[in-house]
Amino acid sequence: QKEVEQDPGPLSVPEGAIVSLNCTYSNSAFQYFMWYRQYSRKGPELLMYTYSSGNKEDGRFTAQVDKSSKYISLFIRDSQPSDSATYLCVPGGNSGYSTLTFGKGTMLLVSP
Amino acid sequence: EPEVTQTPSHQVTQMGQEVILRCVPISNHLYFYWYRQILGQKVEFLVSFYNNEISEKSEIFDDQFSVERPDGSNFTLKIRSTKLEDSAMYFCASLRSSGANVLTFGAGSRLTVL
Repeated sequence: QKEVEQDPGPLSVPEGAIVSLNCTYSNSAFQYFMWYRQYSRKGPELLMYTYSSGNKEDGRFTAQVDKSSKYISLFIRDSQPSDSATYLCVPGGNSGYSTLTFGKGTMLLVSP
Repeated sequence: EPEVTQTPSHQVTQMGQEVILRCVPISNHLYFYWYRQILGQKVEFLVSFYNNEISEKSEIFDDQFSVERPDGSNFTLKIRSTKLEDSAMYFCASLRSSGANVLTFGAGSRLTVL
């Protein structure tokens, strides 16, 4: 079983739509759950991270974690064409030594 | 906002040549990393560096690779004898302290080996 699984997409939505991006992971030792956004040929950019199960909101973005089912979601409200990117769900540990495990991410395309 | 700076943004080299990719991590960060991403594939861990030594490395990071922090600000990745399959985006990242390993990534250096 892969450590991190995401639907690769592309997910195509019209501007203004609510987007739901989902991710599952297998390692119950993961404690932090990060969402990175990556534009084409650019470095991953941290969007937000959460520690515990539940919701965390930041502007148009809401991250949801369910540790019991090892399921993570990112919701984007009022999606914009500038949100078009690949979204990477990245679980991590609580030490600088522990490496981050990336999946391939989900490509999102928001059309005007 | 503080950022991780990488140079060069793009380097083209001949197979067998040595390449050095440079990174300036965020100034008060203590942990440093190199990741790479082959076109169309996922971001892969190469090496982590803390307290002037390698703390972890992946299978990819073989004897052809080395890292160095030659002064208080730069962090370099050297590839001694490049191969075609080394063509990729190389990302440097840094982290301030232990705790949540929420890394800040640079924009990347694209390496093309001909």
